[in-house]
Amino acid sequence: VQLVQSGGEVKKPGASVNVSCKASGYTFITYGITWVRQGPGQGLEWMGWISPYMNNTKYAQKFQGRVTMTTETATSTAYMELRSLRSDDTAVYYCAKGIEYSSSWGQGTLVTVSS
Amino acid sequence: SYELTQPPSVSVSPGQTASITCSGDKLGDTYVCWYQQRPGQSPVLVIYQDTKRPSGIPERFSGSNSDNTATLTISGTQAMDEADYYCQAWDSTSAIFGGGTKLTVL
Repeated sequence: VQLVQSGGEVKKPGASVNVSCKASGYTFITYGITWVRQGPGQGLEWMGWISPYMNNTKYAQKFQGRVTMTTETATSTAYMELRSLRSDDTAVYYCAKGIEYSSSWGQGTLVTVSS
Repeated sequence: SYELTQPPSVSVSPGQTASITCSGDKLGDTYVCWYQQRPGQSPVLVIYQDTKRPSGIPERFSGSNSDNTATLTISGTQAMDEADYYCQAWDSTSAIFGGGTKLTVL
């Protein structure tokens, strides 16, 4: 199992970022994808999940209206878009396989929000 | 909102047993999992559904969950176990992480 994420991004406040997560080594549609972020020197923060099979999502209340999670089953890729970025969105963003618990994680994508 | 509380730090001598707690209201009524995160690395699942170890996780890692407290126990702690540990549980349909515990092996 491998989850490979897109490279780091630098964005200005108010912009949007789209992080991709390409899965391999398992049947993509049979497991959900969870997104978690970690601010500098901070703990883990759950953002939500998406089920590629049912194409349904659950977002943390904190991100409702600002985040969209999608999947592309043809390429076994998950995407997470975060809009209206603020400086406190600067963090490493992780995708992970599984919803109830996550048995495999991507390498993380550093998103830096700075003017 | 629901909260999970972990001690910020725990210290243990090599070969001894380390216990890391995670407290929350009626936590024993839901499943807890634990992640290990070494500096600069992605988290690794070490315990799921309170007590189960994923393939490849050493037997020295064990978990329990009862009443308001879940515990991750590392028996015969080794230097390589030095890391941050996070508990995770579910509050209805949203997942929550504890604040994390830095385990130092002295």
